[in-house]
Amino acid sequence: GQQLNQSPQSMFIQEGEDVSMNCTSSSIFNTWLWYKQDPGEGPVLLIALYKAGELTSNGRLTAQFGITRKDSFLNISASIPSDVGIYFCAGQLFRLGNEKLTFGTGTRLTIIP
Amino acid sequence: EAQVTQNPRYLITVTGKKLTVTCSQNMNHEYMSWYRQDPGLGLRQIYYSMNVEVTDKGDVPEGYKVSRKEKRNFPLILESPSPNQTSLYFCASSSHLGLPGANVLTFGAGSRLTVL
Repeated sequence: GQQLNQSPQSMFIQEGEDVSMNCTSSSIFNTWLWYKQDPGEGPVLLIALYKAGELTSNGRLTAQFGITRKDSFLNISASIPSDVGIYFCAGQLFRLGNEKLTFGTGTRLTIIP
Repeated sequence: EAQVTQNPRYLITVTGKKLTVTCSQNMNHEYMSWYRQDPGLGLRQIYYSMNVEVTDKGDVPEGYKVSRKEKRNFPLILESPSPNQTSLYFCASSSHLGLPGANVLTFGAGSRLTVL
């Protein structure tokens, strides 16, 4: 099955730094979602994007739906310790008989004290 | 509280011993799905269900079975577990994956399975 290329695979940053990660696909989507997984928990939705070019914020998080519909970006400003976790992108193309969300491989964020 | 509940959270078993991981949601969601999470591979879909009595294979269905007899429950069955099924498993649900805005999956807390 298809998987999305998510990069970087891992990041080691200091508290207060900004973070950028992205997700690319070989095919187009009309929905992009970003999830965060805290250690020992299931993924939780951060941001949902439904339109090419859309830029959406959720507090210190900002995500964009790429114009080509084949990519999406997530930025975190002024990182804090609770940002630690694994971030997953997910894409979906609405099409009769194909309801599946395809997930990226994840970006593991670690904050260095 | 709206949630997806999985049990057990942790399980160590031996090759060939049948096991079932239960999943229950209290949000009246139509769509339910099972994923496995492995390092470097992200979340891969095992099986999904669009509604009661409707199930279909995901990307990695081999070695697994599911059933959807009731809307709220979607158990994952490993008839004869093997070590390559050692993984972290997540159940998830949504109101309807085919509608914009309704495709937000709510995940359970995960079940960590080790097959010796």
